[in-house]
Amino acid sequence: DAGVIQSPRHEVTEMGQEVTLRCKPISGHDYLFWYRQTMMRGLELLIYFNNNVPIDDSGMPEDRFSAKMPNASFSTLKIQPSEPRDSAVYFCASRPFRGPGMNTEAFFGQGTRLTVV
Amino acid sequence: AQKITQTQPGMFVQEKEAVTLDCTYDTSDPSYGLFWYKQPSSGEMIFLIYQGSYDQQNATEGRYSLNFQKARKSANLVISASQLGDSAMYFCAMREGNYNQGGKLIFGQGTELSVKP
Repeated sequence: DAGVIQSPRHEVTEMGQEVTLRCKPISGHDYLFWYRQTMMRGLELLIYFNNNVPIDDSGMPEDRFSAKMPNASFSTLKIQPSEPRDSAVYFCASRPFRGPGMNTEAFFGQGTRLTVV
Repeated sequence: AQKITQTQPGMFVQEKEAVTLDCTYDTSDPSYGLFWYKQPSSGEMIFLIYQGSYDQQNATEGRYSLNFQKARKSANLVISASQLGDSAMYFCAMREGNYNQGGKLIFGQGTELSVKP
């Protein structure tokens, strides 16, 4: 498997523009997570999905942020309008559900480095 | 309140020596999992080791071992025989609740490890 695939790897945009980050989880994984990493706040969980359904979006900072998972192989994180303080590395991760007593770690994508100028 | 605390922002270790990275956690849930991830300068997140709250023995994976002290709520990572390639950020993370209840992963602030030749 190719692992979790994120695109683009780097994005530079102007303040006020819409930004869409994309993620393809590992096939067969049941959970998908979006994280944001900054120097100040570390790794923050923004939202996660189980079987394409959003379970917890309490980490989404503002209404400017939205995430969707239209099918098991694709998710998007959208920021509209973007602001300079949104500059960060955004990670997508996925993990499977295996069954009782089975640990399953999250597998991370390479991340998208977003810069809003 | 911080759920995961890593008190060492930075650590140095001599090549071939062992090093311990500290992690304490806070939860009232009897079922939880503890993870360590490595993030090299290239940015990807690499899973290292897992410890379940009900596991009787400390987890080991090659040169990595987890010193799990449940009563103290600590889950320190021990790296034996450090190598130059071990220089990276190390994150401790916790998943609360039964693994199949979603189980979002909460990360600590990280420890930057530098291995000296």
